[in-house]
Amino acid sequence: AQSVAQPEDQVNVAEGNPLTVKCTYSVSGNPYLFWYVQYPNRGLQFLLKYITGDNLVKGSYGFEAEFNKSQTSFHLKKPSALVSDSALYFCAVRVDTGRRALTFGSGTRLQVQP
Amino acid sequence: DGGITQSPKYLFRKEGQNVTLSCEQNLNHDAMYWYRQDPGQGLRLIYYSQIVNDFQKGDIAEGYSVSREKKESFPLTVTSAQKNPTAFYLCASMDSDNQPQHFGDGTRLSIL
Repeated sequence: AQSVAQPEDQVNVAEGNPLTVKCTYSVSGNPYLFWYVQYPNRGLQFLLKYITGDNLVKGSYGFEAEFNKSQTSFHLKKPSALVSDSALYFCAVRVDTGRRALTFGSGTRLQVQP
Repeated sequence: DGGITQSPKYLFRKEGQNVTLSCEQNLNHDAMYWYRQDPGQGLRLIYYSQIVNDFQKGDIAEGYSVSREKKESFPLTVTSAQKNPTAFYLCASMDSDNQPQHFGDGTRLSIL
């Protein structure tokens, strides 16, 4: 079975400061890892993915994430937060075999204060 | 513009009633998915279909049914057997293994 943990329900950061949203995963096999963002009453928007290759992945809106196989982590980062980054963030994982459906973490609400 | 269209945006169900949520995609994707979102629980997989005329149960399929008669359409029926249907329902599609899933804007279902 595969699982994802997002240990923080909420992260608060001041505008202009760096932000980190944590994610750890558990799978049997090679992981495909994703970050999505959700604004109120909307669907999920794709931010970035790790399939293979470089451990540092760059995505949309200045976000990046680092794949760490030994720590089974895929933390989302941004060097300088914007108030408009305030939203709900989901980490998701699937393996390269089987049903190809995503397993999601419980989500982390990011609040960026002006 | 290509994308996924879910309708209606808001839906109300009476006791004992079946309701159907629509999901249409014009991305030419083979695979489609239905998720349920509850506060603090992330998204949970209800049903998925990797090809037309074929679908499989996800983790919380009880009380739900689907069909996949056309590549672009994957409707979800919430039956009266689903005792706690109040949730936000999201439909997604995917092209291939290396690509992300694309999501619709969801349907919010409530009990009258």
